[in-house]
Amino acid sequence: GAVVSQHPSRVICKSGTSVKIECRSLDFQATTMFWYRQFPKKSLMLMATSNEGSKATYEQGVEKDKFLINHASLTLSTLTVTSAHPEDSSFYICSASDPGQGRSGANVLTFGAGSRLTVL
Amino acid sequence: SQQGEEDPQALSIQEGENATMNCSYKTSINNLQWYRQNSGRGLVHLILIRSNEREKHSGRLRVTLDTSKKSSSLLITASRAADTASYFCATSKGGYQKVTFGTGTKLQVIP
Repeated sequence: GAVVSQHPSRVICKSGTSVKIECRSLDFQATTMFWYRQFPKKSLMLMATSNEGSKATYEQGVEKDKFLINHASLTLSTLTVTSAHPEDSSFYICSASDPGQGRSGANVLTFGAGSRLTVL
Repeated sequence: SQQGEEDPQALSIQEGENATMNCSYKTSINNLQWYRQNSGRGLVHLILIRSNEREKHSGRLRVTLDTSKKSSSLLITASRAADTASYFCATSKGGYQKVTFGTGTKLQVIP
């Protein structure tokens, strides 16, 4: 089945620095990837839809300049948290649409393992 | 905003018992999915039910969908300790459209 690899799994950084999280589709091409943020004991909040070769589509309330998304190839999307602050500490999860399911008209997602960001 | 509201928020049962989780949503959908998340991990797709289906089975999982009530339920039969996880319903319009997740039910199965 489709596999999505996310790296790093954990990162601790100082306030004011930038952190990059990578999301790779290992055995399929992903024209669309989704970035979610999850607060402790909460649901997933969609941050943005990453589109290969074009600009990401951000959800309302998500700062584009704060959370930079680049989808430069069909197998890699990156999320960069710029000038991170303690309130950016969270669990970030990427996902890609399973191409097999997509052709049948359903958007079934394959998730990465997530990245735990802690900003000191 | 979240599309789905789930209840209960938390559920604790003994191994061997059945677990039922409910999900309600607000807008029209093409399909509804259920995902599972182990603590601190990504989500895993469990089952998908289309808007024209009323019930679907997969192993020990049974999902129902009532589009008139905008609700779905996930039943896990003969639960095991390994079923301990959070379960989320998710809705989308289909294709490669964004998927919106419910608030989740945290299930604990006691051995």
